[in-house]
Amino acid sequence: QQQVKQSPQSLIVQKGGISIINCAYENTAFDYFPWYQQFPGKGPALLIAIRPDVSEKKEGRFTISFNKSAKQFSLHIMDSQPGDSATYFCAASSNSGYALNFGKGTSLLVTP
Amino acid sequence: EPEVTQTPSHQVTQMGQEVILRCVPISNHLYFYWYRQILGQKVEFLVSFYNNEISEKSEIFDDQFSVERPDGSNFTLKIRSTKLEDSAMYFCASSDRTGAYEQYFGPGTRLTVT
Repeated sequence: QQQVKQSPQSLIVQKGGISIINCAYENTAFDYFPWYQQFPGKGPALLIAIRPDVSEKKEGRFTISFNKSAKQFSLHIMDSQPGDSATYFCAASSNSGYALNFGKGTSLLVTP
Repeated sequence: EPEVTQTPSHQVTQMGQEVILRCVPISNHLYFYWYRQILGQKVEFLVSFYNNEISEKSEIFDDQFSVERPDGSNFTLKIRSTKLEDSAMYFCASSDRTGAYEQYFGPGTRLTVT
């Protein structure tokens, strides 16, 4: 059973464009939703995270939008840059457990 | 900036051998985790550890796996008898609070079982 579903699997965006990655979850007990960025050969790096008490969180060019009723959340990367080319994972966890449940990842390529 | 470190970066072992993967979590963190990532797939939770005991473990973390905090700084994952399907990247992570909030990952150990 896949707890967190992520789409698309891959994404190509031109420099300066907006990258949008979507995730959906089933477990209503989830209350923490982070996004991780991973470069080849490196560990996942925490990028931004949101709790369900807010609908949006912005940090620089990165924004999480959260829709509690639809059980969906998304990452928007504004003014995408070639340096943003990486794999992005959404995840979810609940305060009754410790495990981060990851989506399958989105490979983002930002072309010059 | 504090970071999680892992050694070795790459471990090659023969099937049936024991391996120990080592991690040094961020110094003031109290919660420790192991995850694995098979090539091209998602990151999967293995185990969490707090106050010198396992807090939670996944179905992957069977009797072949064990974790230990042998001293005040290291956190280890032992695989007793490796199988081909154990080949993966193993990531250690740590957090300073419960509930998996803000887990910080190390660079990983690539385990290759031949």
